[in-house]
Amino acid sequence: GDSVTQMEGPVTLSEEAFLTINCTYTATGYPSLFWYVQYPGEGLQLLLKATKADDKGSNKGFEATYRKETTSFHLEKGSVQVSDSAVYFCALSPYNAGNMLTFGGGTRLMVKP
Amino acid sequence: DAGVIQSPRHEVTEMGQEVTLRCKPISGHNSLFWYRQTMMRGLELLIYFNNNVPIDDSGMPEDRFSAKMPNASFSTLKIQPSEPRDSAVYFCASRRDSGGYTFGSGTRLTVV
Repeated sequence: GDSVTQMEGPVTLSEEAFLTINCTYTATGYPSLFWYVQYPGEGLQLLLKATKADDKGSNKGFEATYRKETTSFHLEKGSVQVSDSAVYFCALSPYNAGNMLTFGGGTRLMVKP
Repeated sequence: DAGVIQSPRHEVTEMGQEVTLRCKPISGHNSLFWYRQTMMRGLELLIYFNNNVPIDDSGMPEDRFSAKMPNASFSTLKIQPSEPRDSAVYFCASRRDSGGYTFGSGTRLTVV
């Protein structure tokens, strides 16, 4: 079945450091790919998405590129802030089952001043 | 738009008791999802509805769990009887066709 694998956390960075959170997936066909962010005590919020190969999703300084050849969707940010501290989830939605999201295990990011 | 509204935010109950979690989706969203989040298993899809009809309940862990969606603006997730291993944060999410998911703030359930 479909699955998403993320790097395990926590990831601890200093403010203004470069961030990469790795995400790879297994799916048939051409899934849509997503990154969600969960701040403490809150639900998940959509951060960015990409619906086809080579698409780049971006939002709030975060970027991720849909790489079909490596089945990856790594999240990057050039300069993190303390306010980016949260748990980040990679997810996919199968092409032929557009309603269902399969999530990775989540990666906790902690940014220190 | 008030977003997806879940109640209660926190629930502490004794083992064996019935627990009912509630969700009001965003008006106009025609799909509703119940997820469970734990440290051990991460986010698990329990069940989802489309146009108030249950489409996939394969994630419901056992018969103690049941979910209903009597109308487009309300859904419940019931656990009867509850057990300590049911302790988790339960999220409800809704979406419109081709739209993104909107999650509620969750219900933190503790069964003692």
